[in-house]
Formats: sequence, C-alpha cells, structure tokens
Amino acid sequence: KNEVEQSPQNLTAQEGEFITINCSYSVGISALHWLQQHPGGGIVSLFMLSSGKKKHGRLIATINIQEKHSSLHITASHPRDSAVYICAVISGEGAQKLVFGQGTRLTINP
Amino acid sequence: ETGVTQTPRHLVMGMTNKKSLKCEQHLGHNAMYWYKQSAKKPLELMFVYNFKEQTENNSVPSRFSPECPNSSHLFLHLHTLQPEDSALYLCASSQRSGTSGRGTDTQYFGPGTRLTVL
Repeated sequence: KNEVEQSPQNLTAQEGEFITINCSYSVGISALHWLQQHPGGGIVSLFMLSSGKKKHGRLIATINIQEKHSSLHITASHPRDSAVYICAVISGEGAQKLVFGQGTRLTINP
Repeated sequence: ETGVTQTPRHLVMGMTNKKSLKCEQHLGHNAMYWYKQSAKKPLELMFVYNFKEQTENNSVPSRFSPECPNSSHLFLHLHTLQPEDSALYLCASSQRSGTSGRGTDTQYFGPGTRLTVL
C-alpha cells in the first residue's frame, strides 16, 4: 500500500461540473502539495498547504491533518482543466523528500 | 528564459550509449532535484542537491550519475541503461530556508525529458 493514495484514479466529467479529487496519506506530514501535470509532462505546483483551506481562482484545496486527508475541488470545470492531478506530501519540517500519489487523470468533455 | 528548463525534451538511446540530461533553473534557488516518472507509477525522487552538495541518493543505480557544477545547473549522466529505465525524468528546484532547514519549500518543476532506451 502506497503512503499516499488518491481517488479516483480516473475521472471524466462534463464541462461545468464540480470536481473533487481526494488524497489520503498514512504518514505524519509537515505539508501537502497538489500538482498538475499536462500531457507532455510539465508539472505545475497548484497549492502547498499544511492546514485549513486555500483558494486560487476556480481551484480550492482543503486539508484535515487529524484525518490525514486532503481534497482538491474544481468549480465550473472546463476542458482546459483536463490533466493529471498529483498529491504529494512532505514528511517532516524542513524535509525535501516529496512522496507522491499515483495521480488522478481528469478529463473534462465540452 | 524563466523557471526551470530541461534539455533535451526527448531522447532515444541504445543500451551501450552514454548521454546526459541537463537542467537549468533561472529562479535563484539553492536546491535541485531529479525525479523519475515511469508509466503507471508515482513519481520517485532520485537525487537532491543542496548548495551544490548531494544530500540524498534514493538508492539509485550507479548507471545514473548526477552532477551539480553550480546551484543553477544539474546534470544526469546516463550510461549502460536498461529498457526499464525508459521514463520521464523531471528536474525541480526550490529555495531552502537556511541551514536550519526550517520551513517547507515549494518545488518548481521543469518540463521533463522523455527517455526511451532501446
């Protein structure tokens, strides 16, 4: 069992739908990243959070440290949101080693 | 150029070849990383360099040899690779928060080099 588990692995939705991607982890962490990887490979960091909630445009990330769970939400989804979304955790304060989930492949159809 | 760049973007090599991957960061960061992303597997950390010094080698085979000549450049030298080494190799950089390592730094990723070993 991976230390970081994401669900679902694949998600297909229609444009405009509200999207939720979940991440559960089994280790103590100091922070959690949500990353976006487009076809071709480039990775963009969307959020880094250690508590509560962050919002950027149509993206919202939440984390519950007690439950070791984080969610990424996309409101008013659009085909350009189609990508692989990756959850990654850092296990200790000042640590550098990211442990990654397997990713969620999101496809938004027009 | 801005951000983190990687060259080449695609590389096909035979098992007896020697090649190098290059990463350059234009962000003034002091830490750089190599990651491997194989098909249907999570990203795996390979190496970490802080202030040009290697601080983590995640049990990587010796056929992968990193080099960090300065804090802006990172190389991955490849020799006698195996077909199972075919993957996307990603470089990242971050700014460490001092030698105490306090704080957790955001890593910025390059576009990756897609490597195929025949």
